[in-house]
Amino acid sequence: GAVVSQHPSRVICKSGTSVKIECRSLDFQATTMFWYRQFPKQSLMLMATSNEGSKATYEQGVEKDKFLINHASLTLSTLTVTSAHPEDSSFYICSARKTGGVNQPQHFGDGTRLSIL
Amino acid sequence: AQTVTQSQPEMSVQEAETVTLSCTYDTSESNYYLFWYKQPPSRQMILVIRQEAYKQQNATENRFSVNFQKAAKSFSLKISDSQLGDTAMYFCAFYDSNYQLIWGAGTKLIIKP
Repeated sequence: GAVVSQHPSRVICKSGTSVKIECRSLDFQATTMFWYRQFPKQSLMLMATSNEGSKATYEQGVEKDKFLINHASLTLSTLTVTSAHPEDSSFYICSARKTGGVNQPQHFGDGTRLSIL
Repeated sequence: AQTVTQSQPEMSVQEAETVTLSCTYDTSESNYYLFWYKQPPSRQMILVIRQEAYKQQNATENRFSVNFQKAAKSFSLKISDSQLGDTAMYFCAFYDSNYQLIWGAGTKLIIKP
């Protein structure tokens, strides 16, 4: 078990468009989900941590009004990139941690390649 | 500061050989959790193996095993009988005091036929 589904896998859209990315834990409950951004040939950069039913905690330098996160249930978190611009083009990847202990490993989705024209 | 260092940017070995990826870390915590993740060209991040620092026994998962040296703050990954499907970026990581992952820069592993 521990499957995380991320959708869509690829988005190409015009500048100014808002884009929503979904992250679902399919076979487990996840109190905490994480959103990362990955630049080419680099490791993951944490953007924010979301806990079910509460506001997300954003890392320094990440605009919370730009990257809206909702974690309304124990199996779903969404990231909305509002009014996306070319500099937002990147690979976004979510992870989920099983409910039951903060020491549980994170399980990752397949990622979303976002391209803003 | 809590950091993870992977000193090998890229490695390549022949199929069926054994390869060891190095990882060192720095933390002042006494108990923590260490992980190796694999990211193949498909970009999915896959958990390979994990180790709890308070356990002295090295973790193993089939062909994957670790050499955990707590005093040296070293956490290397050994892949036995390497396969073409093992070609990927490998990231070493550990949980900081806030249980957020601290990542190494990664090692690109190429398995040659």
